[in-house]
Amino acid sequence: DVKVTQSSRYLVKRTGEKVFLECVQDMDHENMFWYRQDPGLGLRLIYFSYDVKMKEKGDIPEGYSVSREKKERFSLILESASTNQTSMYLCASRPGVRTGGFRPQHFGDGTRLSIL
Amino acid sequence: GEDVEQSLFLSVREGDSSVINCTYTDSSSTYLYWYKQEPGAGLQLLTYIFSNMDMKQDQRLTVLLNKKDKHLSLRIADTQTGDSAIYFCAETPYNFNKFYFGSGTKLNVKP
Repeated sequence: DVKVTQSSRYLVKRTGEKVFLECVQDMDHENMFWYRQDPGLGLRLIYFSYDVKMKEKGDIPEGYSVSREKKERFSLILESASTNQTSMYLCASRPGVRTGGFRPQHFGDGTRLSIL
Repeated sequence: GEDVEQSLFLSVREGDSSVINCTYTDSSSTYLYWYKQEPGAGLQLLTYIFSNMDMKQDQRLTVLLNKKDKHLSLRIADTQTGDSAIYFCAETPYNFNKFYFGSGTKLNVKP
């Protein structure tokens, strides 16, 4: 089974801090994604990466950056945390296009981040 | 981006059938997925359907796809309290990296 591991289930940080959320997958997937989930808004894509050192902005990239130095790890960075970034953050991975066929996304358990 | 629409809430009684609906706009969708999210957890793949199929059955789950109307539904037979969760539909075009998710339908099962 695919395992996507997010480093923390719950995290509390202060306004202005630099925050790192880490995600690791063990299936050699090319694609990795960061979403935030807020009540009534569903999942919103922040950034995704389709290969090492490659990244693309999603729908709501403002206030965030990402890093993908190794294939299995995708980090989300809040450069200067603000209270409106309090949310549930979900990481996902997926095989690349070259795999073809059925390529579902596999999700981690999420990190509930509170910014005080 | 593509639009995927779902109603936000559904409430049923234990033992009844639940039907969760989803509409999408992308005519090139290849795979359509249903995910389940239990409280405090990530999304778990529940089932999926390939776009050349009309129906797929998997135990208590039946997925129906109407490509002409771009309508996808998930029917859960004999709904149990353990089925209470948020259900997301998602679609992806072929050879494309992004997924498009609906906003999720919160299913409440009353005993």
